[in-house]
Amino acid sequence: ETGVTQSPTHLIKTRGQQVTLRCSSQSGHNTVSWYQQALGQGPQFIFQYYREEENGRGNFPPRFSGLQFPNYSSELNVNALELDDSALYLCASSLPSGAGVDTQYFGPGTRLTVL
Amino acid sequence: AQSVSQHNHHVILSEAASLELGCNYSYGGTVNLFWYVQYPGQHLQLLLKYFSGDPLVKGIKGFEAEFIKSKFSFNLRKPSVQWSDTAEYFCAVTPRSNDYKLSFGAGTTVTVRA
Repeated sequence: ETGVTQSPTHLIKTRGQQVTLRCSSQSGHNTVSWYQQALGQGPQFIFQYYREEENGRGNFPPRFSGLQFPNYSSELNVNALELDDSALYLCASSLPSGAGVDTQYFGPGTRLTVL
Repeated sequence: AQSVSQHNHHVILSEAASLELGCNYSYGGTVNLFWYVQYPGQHLQLLLKYFSGDPLVKGIKGFEAEFIKSKFSFNLRKPSVQWSDTAEYFCAVTPRSNDYKLSFGAGTTVTVRA
């Protein structure tokens, strides 16, 4: 176990709805990254948060947004859900990239199904 | 942008067989390299990583990987697999200049038959 927790475990939504996924980082880690893992594929980077600011973003539209809180926990929000958003959403925590190279530790993921 | 290619989609082995999984990346600069494993029903776990130094890296559970810079490769090996090595294996890369973004390969499913 990495100490990274995510909630909920599973979620079913319909097209057009909005969803919020939550992540608590490993103790001592103040950087959180979010990934989308579609079935049969590797995780795709969505964005990273460091000190409550977005630190980098992958190739995802603006309807994917996030927040990081002072306790370093994080949320991923997805608006106007589409069928293709069905995936496993992974959260990973790490020490800040500016402090030198470090490793990302992953949580168990939230399985989102969009009907 | 960097990309990662894993050569095999699914590998089936018998126990005690040797395993080698290929990984190639495309990026012209200096990179950090990782292998992650996802056992059935579990989360992604780090197997090993390479940042600098000796290009032969040893990880957990008897795995090792070799970084060959001239070939842009980071292949994973284990001399003798066990049934418990059944899992999905992912190679991942970050550019050293921009190390917040992990780029993953599509993964290789390894099935070890008892």
